[in-house]
Amino acid sequence: DQQVKQNSPSLSVQEGRISILNCDYTNSMFDYFLWYKKYPAEGPTFLISISSIKDKNEDGRFTVFLNKSAKHLSLHIVPSQPGDSAVYFCAASMIKAAGNKLTFGGGTRVLVKP
Amino acid sequence: DTGVSQNPRHKITKRGQNVTFRCDPISEHNRLYWYRQTLGQGPEFLTYFQNEAQLEKSRLLSDRFSAERPKGSFSTLEIQRTEQGDSAMYLCASSLGQGPYPYEQYFGPGTRLTVT
Repeated sequence: DQQVKQNSPSLSVQEGRISILNCDYTNSMFDYFLWYKKYPAEGPTFLISISSIKDKNEDGRFTVFLNKSAKHLSLHIVPSQPGDSAVYFCAASMIKAAGNKLTFGGGTRVLVKP
Repeated sequence: DTGVSQNPRHKITKRGQNVTFRCDPISEHNRLYWYRQTLGQGPEFLTYFQNEAQLEKSRLLSDRFSAERPKGSFSTLEIQRTEQGDSAMYLCASSLGQGPYPYEQYFGPGTRLTVT
């Protein structure tokens, strides 16, 4: 019963273009969402987050959109750079739950071609 | 850099042996988490500490697994009588639990366990 799903295991994009990563969740109790980037042999690195009271959050080249009615979020990277090549995980949490543990999707591998 | 550190980075052990991993969180963070990641999957929650108290354990954490966080600082994760299915990356994360960014967890580099 995967509560957070990333249906695209991989994505290839040209340098300078937009990368769009998608994530769906099933548990309506989730109200805080995060994106992490992971390089090989390193732990996940926090990128950007969004609370369910918002539908958009922007930080530099990264923008996260949340559609609560569709239980869907997406991460836009504009413009994409070769250093963005990594595996991206979306994660969900419940603010009022003790500890706010994260439930992760399976990841999307992004390759940015020069 | 005072990020989350984990030791060892790699551990190879034979089935049936015990192993122990250590995590040193970011110093001012009072929450500490352990996750496990297998190939091609996202990290899965194992357990979490608020200061020195272990407040939640996943059903993934069988009785062969034990975690401690004495004095609310570093944490150890011990696996007894290892099995080949325990082979995975074990990730530690910490968070503040308060302030402007209470929910963001910061991860260490992980300990890769291989059970032969």
